[in-house]
Amino acid sequence: NAGVTQTPKFQVLKTGQSMTLQCAQDMNHNSMYWYRQDPGMGLRLIYYSASEGTTDKGEVPNGYNVSRLNKREFSLRLESAAPSQTSVYFCASRGRRDQPQHFGDGTRLSIL
Amino acid sequence: RKEVEQDPGPFNVPEGATVAFNCTYSNSASQSFFWYRQDCRKEPKLLMSVYSSGNEDGRFTAQLNRASQYISLLIRDSKLSDSATYLCVVNREATDSWGKLQFGAGTQVVVTP
Repeated sequence: NAGVTQTPKFQVLKTGQSMTLQCAQDMNHNSMYWYRQDPGMGLRLIYYSASEGTTDKGEVPNGYNVSRLNKREFSLRLESAAPSQTSVYFCASRGRRDQPQHFGDGTRLSIL
Repeated sequence: RKEVEQDPGPFNVPEGATVAFNCTYSNSASQSFFWYRQDCRKEPKLLMSVYSSGNEDGRFTAQLNRASQYISLLIRDSKLSDSATYLCVVNREATDSWGKLQFGAGTQVVVTP
């Protein structure tokens, strides 16, 4: 059972480079989420998608864009990476409003 | 005041002992609650869902006190493998959009031999 799959698992970028983090879920969930987690801090919501075709900003959206490609896939793009975006990024999905989120195993991103 | 607050710990617990800690939430309209465990820099993993007064799963018991707006997690017969950070998550599904799950910052538990 794959659940939520994130790629890549590790990435090192130089300042100013761009990249896209991929996330796919096979649980037929409606909503999907992108979080970042920095050392000693809790999860912070970057963007979410309540359903296919919709996206909304979370707590820390600046410097990021997202695409809900279809019901399964939700990507996060860094157009011009900055050292402040060095973090662990988690994708999550959820079926119904009363259900918990299921997380992917994260992408560890370092920006030099 | 944060919407979800947790004692960051660490709670140092001898192996075999019982440990309990709370999570307080500010929005009385909150409908469902979840406990996750997170190992160092790994993904949060669902431990337990709480929809009514509480839930029990083996050595883990969660209790919800709506009047005082807190949820507790109790771990009995602690194992070394229970060492982790425990995240409290509050869901305001009835009044808010899909995006607004509220995460606590976590309580660290360290089980010692």
